[in-house]
Amino acid sequence: QQPVQSPQAVILREGEDAVINCSSSKALYSVHWYRQKHGEAPVFLMILLKGGEQKGHEKISASFNEKKQQSSLYLTASQLSYSGTYFCGTEAGSYQLTFGKGTKLSVIP
Amino acid sequence: DVKVTQSSRYLVKRTGEKVFLECVQDMDHENMFWYRQDPGLGLRLIYFSYDVKMKEKGDIPEGYSVSREKKERFSLILESASTNQTSMYLCASSLMDGTYEQYFGPGTRLTVT
Repeated sequence: QQPVQSPQAVILREGEDAVINCSSSKALYSVHWYRQKHGEAPVFLMILLKGGEQKGHEKISASFNEKKQQSSLYLTASQLSYSGTYFCGTEAGSYQLTFGKGTKLSVIP
Repeated sequence: DVKVTQSSRYLVKRTGEKVFLECVQDMDHENMFWYRQDPGLGLRLIYFSYDVKMKEKGDIPEGYSVSREKKERFSLILESASTNQTSMYLCASSLMDGTYEQYFGPGTRLTVT
């Protein structure tokens, strides 16, 4: 079952902040975040592991609530380059990722 | 620079044809994945492989098969293409387990007419 992402879409002005949420009904070992720009492949942003370890992008922060099986991606002081579709991928111990349907982020001047 | 390549960016096939999509990675990764991406549905896993000749079904394996004869190469096969298989197909690879990032190829946009 796909994790649920919210919001589905958001429009920001440069410099504004945004939070993208990802919620799963399964017990998770890790949550991955990827960004995909139009016409390009998804690119890795961050992994959050059960137990608190994080790996990834220095300028992006995220959280993982293991009790609620929820993760949030925090985009602060947004730039035009942040535009794209953000996907969370959840891993429940089978090496497979199950991706959400995506959140389309548009940053305007 | 790490790289995942796919054999074609665009492909047009007729209904009933057998279609091969090839993916090659140069990172010596154990895991390789095939996803399809449709508007509003995100990325859905078709099959993945964790070793040569090993495969596991993903969420939507019906109508597809895969082959992994060499570590660096993972093929997706549509035995008899149908119009509902028109989609963007993305290949990815990663190190051993889910704690490692996946690297994606550029995708193949397949149109079945």
